[in-house]
Amino acid sequence: NAGVTQTPKFQVLKTGQSMTLQCAQDMNHNSMYWYRQDPGMGLRLIYYSASEGTTDKGEVPNGYNVSRLNKREFSLRLESAAPSQTSVYFCASSPDRIENTEAFFGQGTRLTVV
Amino acid sequence: GEDVEQSLFLSVREGDSSVINCTYTDSSSTYLYWYKQEPGAGLQLLTYIFSNMDMKQDQRLTVLLNKKDKHLSLRIADTQTGDSAIYFCAERRGTGRRALTFGSGTRLQVQP
Repeated sequence: NAGVTQTPKFQVLKTGQSMTLQCAQDMNHNSMYWYRQDPGMGLRLIYYSASEGTTDKGEVPNGYNVSRLNKREFSLRLESAAPSQTSVYFCASSPDRIENTEAFFGQGTRLTVV
Repeated sequence: GEDVEQSLFLSVREGDSSVINCTYTDSSSTYLYWYKQEPGAGLQLLTYIFSNMDMKQDQRLTVLLNKKDKHLSLRIADTQTGDSAIYFCAERRGTGRRALTFGSGTRLQVQP
């Protein structure tokens, strides 16, 4: 199993450009998440999806949109990139259980907006 | 996340024990986790503890939970250079969304 796969691994955008970060998981998990990681700030939740067809805002949703295309895929879109969105983006998924729900992470996408 | 706090840096010598501390604020947290991030990689789960436990041991790792003080620690015995990484504490709250809330991470540097 590949686990959680993110593409691309690296991206440089100019201010105002748009792009979509792709994420797919093959573990049949219901829940998927997008986090951003910035130095000294840990991981902050952008959006999450508890199941196919549903999405909810996290701590820092402004400037982003998401789409839960099906159970496997959860994409993150930047419509008009800004330098403040320079960050490392992580997608994660977890099983939908009441008890322990460990999150499994992708390898990250390093995005630079110039 | 502002609700989970960790010190930013810890340096130890190879063979010593490392203790990484974390405080959280949500008393409804059900599970608390320690994740490890190596350079250029994603996060990998090291261990977790359920909130009704005080301690959990897993080989070189010992997790201590003081629920009264909302304090969590990770002890790594016989620290090796391969343990050099960033360690994140995370909590899963008892109510609301299932997403984890992370601390800012502690960078562990192991000196040979």
